Amino acid sequence: EVQLVESGGGLVKPGGSLRLSCAASGFTFSSYSMNWVRQAPGKGLEWVSSISSSSSYIYYADSVKGRFTISRDNAKNSLYLQMNSLRAEDTAVYYCARGLEYSGYDVWGQGTLVTVSS
Amino acid sequence: DIQMTQSPSTLSASVGDRVTITCRASQSISSWLAWYQQKPGKAPKLLIYKASSLESGVPSRFSGSGSGTEFTLTISSLQPDDFATYYCQQYNSYFTFGPGTKVDIK
Repeated sequence: EVQLVESGGGLVKPGGSLRLSCAASGFTFSSYSMNWVRQAPGKGLEWVSSISSSSSYIYYADSVKGRFTISRDNAKNSLYLQMNSLRAEDTAVYYCARGLEYSGYDVWGQGTLVTVSS
Repeated sequence: DIQMTQSPSTLSASVGDRVTITCRASQSISSWLAWYQQKPGKAPKLLIYKASSLESGVPSRFSGSGSGTEFTLTISSLQPDDFATYYCQQYNSYFTFGPGTKVDIK
């Protein structure tokens, strides 16, 4: 079964850091680009960051550029999001999603909640 | 940056109704548009990609059309399982989601 499972969410104080992980199974992880998408409570979807299959291309939304770092370990079938200098507005459910070339995001994890609050 | 808008923001409909949601891009995105369905507490589900291609396993009552800057998602006969929020997403230049359209029960 094709599956993505996020972990690492939790409560963190403003200015703090958190590292999210996404474990992939059931497909050849190294063949796909991967993405992080977040959703603030009661709000819509917001693209956060993307990484190509070999990590050659990395992109960030302006709202997280310079604070978040996306990475992957194809040997471990894992995707990561290092989040630094966290703000209250970063509070959201964070989803990892598999990207298909020219076809959108076809597989999503269940999400992990990040709460930034003092 | 490419901005996406959707209309309406909320749509009240009955089972069996034909439903149409519109998505507009601030500049041409060719056909690089996807549609997703999301239910409360769940991850989004891909319905349509490349504006009009139906994702495997998605019922044929869902269809997409459009190119350039204007796109539509149509549900030909609304079913109870279709009450949800729908998002468009452009992937012509980076990625941007529309604000969503909630389809609720009339």
